[in-house]
Amino acid sequence: SYELTQPPSVSVSPGQTASITCSGDKLGDKYACWYQQRPGQPPIVVIYQDDKRPSGIPERFSGSNSGNTATLTISGTQAMDEADYYCQAWDSSTVVFGGGTRLTVL
Amino acid sequence: QVHLQESGPGLVKPSQTLSLTCTVSGGSISGSGYYWSWIRQPAGKGLEWIGHIYTSGTTQYNPSLKSRVTISVDTSKNQFSLKLNSVTAADTAVYYCARAAFHSGSYFCDYWGQGTLVSVSS
Repeated sequence: SYELTQPPSVSVSPGQTASITCSGDKLGDKYACWYQQRPGQPPIVVIYQDDKRPSGIPERFSGSNSGNTATLTISGTQAMDEADYYCQAWDSSTVVFGGGTRLTVL
Repeated sequence: QVHLQESGPGLVKPSQTLSLTCTVSGGSISGSGYYWSWIRQPAGKGLEWIGHIYTSGTTQYNPSLKSRVTISVDTSKNQFSLKLNSVTAADTAVYYCARAAFHSGSYFCDYWGQGTLVSVSS
């Protein structure tokens, strides 16, 4: 079965750029999306179709996908961005989630 | 604005069937192009896709759960439902319903319910 691998944790200082990676075999040939989940809340999509931002998502969120890696980049990270982030893709008639990355803003 | 709300028992006994319903408001579940999904999350762990249904009734399930899962839709009530049979403690999780946009290989859930905790215990 297809697997997506994320680092368990990423730390970033306020105002700096955070990058969260998601790795999978030939992931660049598929579409990736990213969800943000704050404690006790359902996930919200922050990037879909590799690099598109839904309305209402700040411009500091961006995405890319090439080769075996999709990347979520948060520029000018704010304290409110501290959350868990999950990548997700569609493969062989199945939705696959990455294991999630906890972003700490310190 | 589309709103989804899960409902169902919060406690299920081992070996029994977990049944949840998701009520959709603010839009018709019959709208084309959307899939209606169930996703779960054990406490402190990641997201797991359970499966989805299209308004035509077409379903797709996570292979690891396929033998125990049934998802159905009731367009007259604007609801879709999940049944998971032969549950064990490993099925204890927050269960989310969500709307998924799916086009040309791009699949993402744009609206989610708040989630409901289902515990499996005797």
